[in-house]
Amino acid sequence: KAGVTQTPRYLIKTRGQQVTLSCSPISGHRSVSWYQQTPGQGLQFLFEYFSETQRNKGNFPGRFSGRQFSNSRSEMNVSTLELGDSALYLCASSGGTGGSTDTQYFGPGTRLTVL
Amino acid sequence: GESVGLHLPTLSVQEGDNSIINCAYSNSASDYFIWYKQESGKGPQFIIDIRSNMDKRQGQRVTVLLNKTVKHLSLQIAATQPGDSAVYFCAENIGAGGSYIPTFGRGTSLIVHP
Repeated sequence: KAGVTQTPRYLIKTRGQQVTLSCSPISGHRSVSWYQQTPGQGLQFLFEYFSETQRNKGNFPGRFSGRQFSNSRSEMNVSTLELGDSALYLCASSGGTGGSTDTQYFGPGTRLTVL
Repeated sequence: GESVGLHLPTLSVQEGDNSIINCAYSNSASDYFIWYKQESGKGPQFIIDIRSNMDKRQGQRVTVLLNKTVKHLSLQIAATQPGDSAVYFCAENIGAGGSYIPTFGRGTSLIVHP
């Protein structure tokens, strides 16, 4: 079974631009979560989608948004990029049951650099 | 153990030794805990989990201990191997919306010397 894939793997943007990252979960998984990882703040939860609905959201500004499609693929968008948005953005998928303790499987991440 | 800041705490061990990585969590309402391993250039990988109604759980070469009284979690790795070298971090989870909201520790870098 193919793992979680994320595209693109690397991205360079300038301040003020917006960016869209994509995540394809493991086949059959319906939950997709997004995380931001930085050296300063570590790994932080952005949001989780299940069956096209946002189920939970972390403590990030409204510039960070996401969506999930009917095939469970998910995208996250960051508008008006700031230097501090430079990070590794990770996507994880889990379950088919939507169970709260389904094991999460992470993708390799998208490395975003904001100049 | 884990701490705040740019520099991760580091644990250096010899191959074959047992390793213990510690984690202090903050929220007494957390009821589900997970240990992850992250190798360079890769996403985190699930190692083992434990619910708050347990104080110990064992997997293959790994054991997680939970002490809710002092809000402390530990990961024990038996017979540590060079392939275990990675950053390890814990996640405390609070139930919400039919799922969980995770909060992650900063991580501990484990270096295994052959």
